[in-house]
Amino acid sequence: SQKIEQNSEALNIQEGKTATLTCNYTNYSPAYLQWYRQDPGRGPVFLLLIRENEKEKRKERLKVTFDTTLKQSLFHITASQPADSATYLCAHLKAAGNKLTFGGGTRVLVKP
Amino acid sequence: GAGVSQSPRYKVAKRGQDVALRCDPISGHVSLFWYQQALGQGPEFLTYFQNEAQLDKSGLPSDRFFAERPEGSVSTLKIQRTQQEDSAVYLCASSLVGRDRNYEQYFGPGTRLTVT
Repeated sequence: SQKIEQNSEALNIQEGKTATLTCNYTNYSPAYLQWYRQDPGRGPVFLLLIRENEKEKRKERLKVTFDTTLKQSLFHITASQPADSATYLCAHLKAAGNKLTFGGGTRVLVKP
Repeated sequence: GAGVSQSPRYKVAKRGQDVALRCDPISGHVSLFWYQQALGQGPEFLTYFQNEAQLDKSGLPSDRFFAERPEGSVSTLKIQRTQQEDSAVYLCASSLVGRDRNYEQYFGPGTRLTVT
């Protein structure tokens, strides 16, 4: 079965820098990868989706890339702000409208 | 508009008690999912409904877990004879089918279950 792996170590960065998070998957290439943000005590909130035939997707200060050769997706937060501090979850979607398989999440702390 | 709501937000149960967790999805959302999230981990899939039909229950950890969505709207996750290992946050999510090209799932705040 598909496994999604994220760096479990927290990422501490300075305000204004770019945060880069890694999501690796085993086995088959996901049809879709989604990224979610989760704040303490709350449910995940959808950020971006990237399809297996897309190399890159952007939304405001967020950028996601997808490399099927490396079996990896990278998530970038540019010009980071303290309000970006949260846990970021990568999730694999095998088919449209199907269940999500999540990674363990990476906690990001942006220091002013 | 109103998002996904879950109740109760917190539940403490003694080992061996039965619990029922409720999920009110966004109105009109056909798909409904339940996930279990242990502390410091990502959510793990439990079960999935499309309208009132339970299409996938492969993630339910044991036969003590049961979910229903009898009218295709509100869903209840029931755990019988709770064990300490059932302690976790239970998340409900709903989604549109077809019209949402991002296949976004909208999550509720979760119910934190603590079994003592």
